[in-house]
Amino acid sequence: SAVISQKPSRDICQRGTSLTIQCQVDSQVTMMFWYRQQPGQSLTLIATANQGSEATYESGFVIDKFPISRPNLTFSTLTVSNMSPEDSSIYLCSVVGRHGYEQYFGPGTRLTVT
Amino acid sequence: AQSVTQLDSHVSVSEGTPVLLRCNYSSSYSPSLFWYVQHPNKGLQLLLKYTSAATLVKGINGFEAEFKKSETSFHLTKPSAHMSDAAEYFCVVSPVSGGYNKLIFGAGTRLAVHP
Repeated sequence: SAVISQKPSRDICQRGTSLTIQCQVDSQVTMMFWYRQQPGQSLTLIATANQGSEATYESGFVIDKFPISRPNLTFSTLTVSNMSPEDSSIYLCSVVGRHGYEQYFGPGTRLTVT
Repeated sequence: AQSVTQLDSHVSVSEGTPVLLRCNYSSSYSPSLFWYVQHPNKGLQLLLKYTSAATLVKGINGFEAEFKKSETSFHLTKPSAHMSDAAEYFCVVSPVSGGYNKLIFGAGTRLAVHP
């Protein structure tokens, strides 16, 4: 399985500001995904990020709020813009395993917005 | 459309007794199914996966799950619970054909293990 790291591991931010979360993978991968896990909830897919193309967003998520970059095959960033307390969540990135079915997840970024 | 329902939000067992976490799915295609575990303040770990091969799937840490198409179920079991099994468990479905590898997560089942 791929080794995935995320930065920062946690942060406390003020409302109205933005935070960029980094996701680094130890091998080249075509598809990367960003998920949100609100407190006590399950995971919800935010968007799919392919290198060299625009990210594909799920219903309820928009690029202006969650811009994503995918500059190469091992790295991606997710920005949470103009934050409000409702954005307090764990944000996780994932990559597809070599068999093409399962996904492997990063450790997550725990964001608290005050 | 694909969906997954975890029938129990909380399950409590005694150490050494069997574990059963129930999951039903809905899928228009032949799905891939997964169980993930999330320990407190830790990331998600893949326990096991079903991808249209053997219907009884063995995973890590003694867990296994059986794919039953007639019942649209994919229940997770373990013969004997250990204290370290206490965690949140997610049943996940993904369409095999069409589109990318989108994962749809169930609501989760919190497993408590008592001594």
